[in-house]
Order: sequence, then C-alpha cells, then structure tokens
Amino acid sequence: EIALTQSPGTLSLSPGERATLSCRASQSLTTNYLAWYQQKPGQAPRLLIYGASSRATGIPDRFSGSGSGTDFTLTISRLEPEDFAVYYCQQYGNSPPYTFGQGTKLEIK
Amino acid sequence: QVHLLESGGGVVQPGRSLRLSCAASGLNFSAYGMHWVRQAPGKGLEWVAIISYDGTTKYYVDSVKGRFTVSRDRSKNTLYLQMNSLRAEDTAVYYCAKDHFPWGGGDCLHSWGRGTLVTVSS
Repeated sequence: EIALTQSPGTLSLSPGERATLSCRASQSLTTNYLAWYQQKPGQAPRLLIYGASSRATGIPDRFSGSGSGTDFTLTISRLEPEDFAVYYCQQYGNSPPYTFGQGTKLEIK
Repeated sequence: QVHLLESGGGVVQPGRSLRLSCAASGLNFSAYGMHWVRQAPGKGLEWVAIISYDGTTKYYVDSVKGRFTVSRDRSKNTLYLQMNSLRAEDTAVYYCAKDHFPWGGGDCLHSWGRGTLVTVSS
C-alpha cells in the first residue's frame, strides 16, 4: 500500500499570496497518477488536478500541479478568498487501495 | 450534469448491518467505475472500495475486507455498499464518486455525491 504524506499540515497565507502544498509518496508513482482535491466545510471534495498536472474541467488556471515519482506539488499562484479550504492528494495509478494524504488546511492569515 | 445521491445512512448498533445506495443520473452509468470514500467526523478522506464499470472487478481497503461488499445495478443506475459487522470506527460520512474517465480500470474521482452519515453506536 502506498502512503501519501502531505505538508505542511496547516498553511496560513493572505489573499493574493502564492501557496505551495506538497505531497510525498512512499513509493514511486510510475504512472504519475496523482490527483488533488479541494474540500470546503460541509461539502464534498472537488477534483482540481489529475495525472499530477492536468487541470480538471472548470478549474481556474491559478491552480497548477507538478511533480513526478514520489514528490508532487500543488501551487495556487494568487490566492482568492474562496481558495481557503482543505486540500488532499490521492494516488490512483498503482493497485488499490487508492490512498489519500492526510490533508493540508489552507487558512487565512 | 452528473448527479449522485447517497442514501441509507443512519444510526446502527455495533455488529449490525446497513446498506447504502447511490443513485446516479446525468451519465452513462454503465461506462464508469464507481467508488465509495468515507470521512470520519473531523478527519481526512479514506478510500473504501471500487467497482469496475462492468461490475466484474472490486477492490476494498483492508479495514473493510470481508465485511463490506460493493455492487451495482445498471438497470437502476444505482451503486450499493452492503456493510456488515459494523464497528464504531466505521462511523463516517460515506461518499460515492465516479471515475473521471469511462471504461477505465481505476481512476481519480471526478463527481461526488453529498454523502450520507453512518453512525455506529450502542
């Protein structure tokens, strides 16, 4: 089973700043099948990024994903007020279970 | 517009059973693998199970193997999760979600339902 470790646990930033979230896998994701989700309180998660770097339909271009192997990054170039939420990474390329990271809470500073 | 609606949650005693349903609309249900994901109160997401688009392949997280069974009814466009021998640690909001792309063997989760709460307590 592949474990995903996200850092930091909490990130405090102001609107307009750049956010960089990290996700590290315990084994290489040879297919780079790594997704990022955003979850706001009381809501279901929303897919942001798939295949490590492809934006899902309707996702603003201020969201970008990068990385390969074991190290992946979600970058939000310029934070909007609606971006403050919890972000999860998930691997889905290797055999199930399709594990999630523990999440990074992005909060307003 | 894809719409997934979970139902069947509630309060159940430890050791008892519960069946969750997920009604799908706005998509070719038979073309997509479907997942269950849960979230314990105040905790992160945990992937639970997947069933392939044709229902022939199923996988589970270790903690529910032998207790939970995922199934689907293409005639009703509905996904199910039969949960037996429930434990306190199964308490969570259970979400159903669809594969991002059709005809695949496992994928990221594109559309999610709003979830149904299962509480296991005596």
